[in-house]
Amino acid sequence: GESVGLHLPTLSVQEGDNSIINCAYSNSASDYFIWYKQESGKGPQFIIDIRSNMDKRQGQRVTVLLNKTVKHLSLQIAATQPGDSAVYFCAEIPGGGADGLTFGKGTHLIIQP
Amino acid sequence: DVKVTQSSRYLVKRTGEKVFLECVQDMDHENMFWYRQDPGLGLRLIYFSYDVKMKEKGDIPEGYSVSREKKERFSLILESASTNQTSMYLCASSHPTGDEQFFGPGTRLTVL
Repeated sequence: GESVGLHLPTLSVQEGDNSIINCAYSNSASDYFIWYKQESGKGPQFIIDIRSNMDKRQGQRVTVLLNKTVKHLSLQIAATQPGDSAVYFCAEIPGGGADGLTFGKGTHLIIQP
Repeated sequence: DVKVTQSSRYLVKRTGEKVFLECVQDMDHENMFWYRQDPGLGLRLIYFSYDVKMKEKGDIPEGYSVSREKKERFSLILESASTNQTSMYLCASSHPTGDEQFFGPGTRLTVL
């Protein structure tokens, strides 16, 4: 079946370095993607989204890149801070609408001091 | 600020009990969702609703039912709890466009 997944379960980076979290998706009909951040003991929080008619979108310290050719999504976090430690999920909505999100399994980002 | 609240952060129930998990949102969202989150499996959609008294099955509806009597409230019901329903349950809501979903803090349910 269709799936959304992340390449690595854990990513460890030095404080101040840039982080890149990757995600592969298989549903070519998906037209909307979201990155969520989930801190320990909390629900997922929206970070940034991107539609399939774009290949890049920037937020504050975060950038999402979408490569539809290889069905790949990445989240780049600049100048990583201790508060960035969390599990990061990519999610997709196939064709938009209310059918819920399909989530990847998550990457745990660990910030080393 | 959008706020999604869930009735309990932690819940312990016994096998066979009927369990109600409540979710309330204050942003007048039409769409509401229930997910469960398990290690190694990520978030999986149980049920969703796009209007009052409407419900749709998600990917793993077996063993669950839902109720949406009011727009702001979406309840998840375990008719007869089983140990394999021990999990973190997350509620979310969104506008009809189905874009960004806002999540509650989660309810960690343990079934003994």
